[in-house]
Amino acid sequence: EAGVTQFPSHSVIEKGQTVTLRCDPISGHDNLYWYRRVMGKEIKFLLHFVKESKQDESGMPNNRFLAERTGGTYSTLKVQPAELEDSGVYFCASSQATVEAFFGQGTRLTVV
Amino acid sequence: KQEVTQIPAALSVPEGENLVLNCSFTDSAIYNLQWFRQDPGKGLTSLLLIQSSQREQTSGRLNASLDKSSGRSTLYIAASQPGDSATYLCAVRARRDSGYSTLTFGKGTMLLVSP
Repeated sequence: EAGVTQFPSHSVIEKGQTVTLRCDPISGHDNLYWYRRVMGKEIKFLLHFVKESKQDESGMPNNRFLAERTGGTYSTLKVQPAELEDSGVYFCASSQATVEAFFGQGTRLTVV
Repeated sequence: KQEVTQIPAALSVPEGENLVLNCSFTDSAIYNLQWFRQDPGKGLTSLLLIQSSQREQTSGRLNASLDKSSGRSTLYIAASQPGDSATYLCAVRARRDSGYSTLTFGKGTMLLVSP
């Protein structure tokens, strides 16, 4: 069974550009989460989908971040325009209900 | 607001030692607690999941305990090996204002086991 897959693994972009991160959850997992770890800090929650619906996006830093989950399958997280402080590792996780969460390998975003 | 603290931040031990990693959380109203391992440049690998009604879980040389009332968990690693070198993360799942639950992480303990 395939795990949670994230693309790309690394991305280096200039300030002001747009970047789109993708996450493919484990098949059958209705819950999909985005988390982020910035340098020196703990991993923090960004938002939560149940199927295609955003249930909680209270962790999103600002309106430059837009997440979608079309059809309740894969999800994308777009940052537009990117700023220097957006650099970090973005993790996606999926789960069934309130049980074990499975994480992807993360996307390391560097904004220069 | 839930906060998770991990002590120590870093630990260096010789191979073969038994060691304990500590995790504390401020709000005991959790669904479960999960220990993860993260290798450099890699994702998070789930090691153990303890439901709020459980006291401990074991997997091979790993044993995790949970004392929900005091807000503490420990991860015990027996007979450590160089391959155990990684960052170990503790995370609690708790209900948010949305009514749904998510994970709150500690900063992790960076473990180095030398041959």
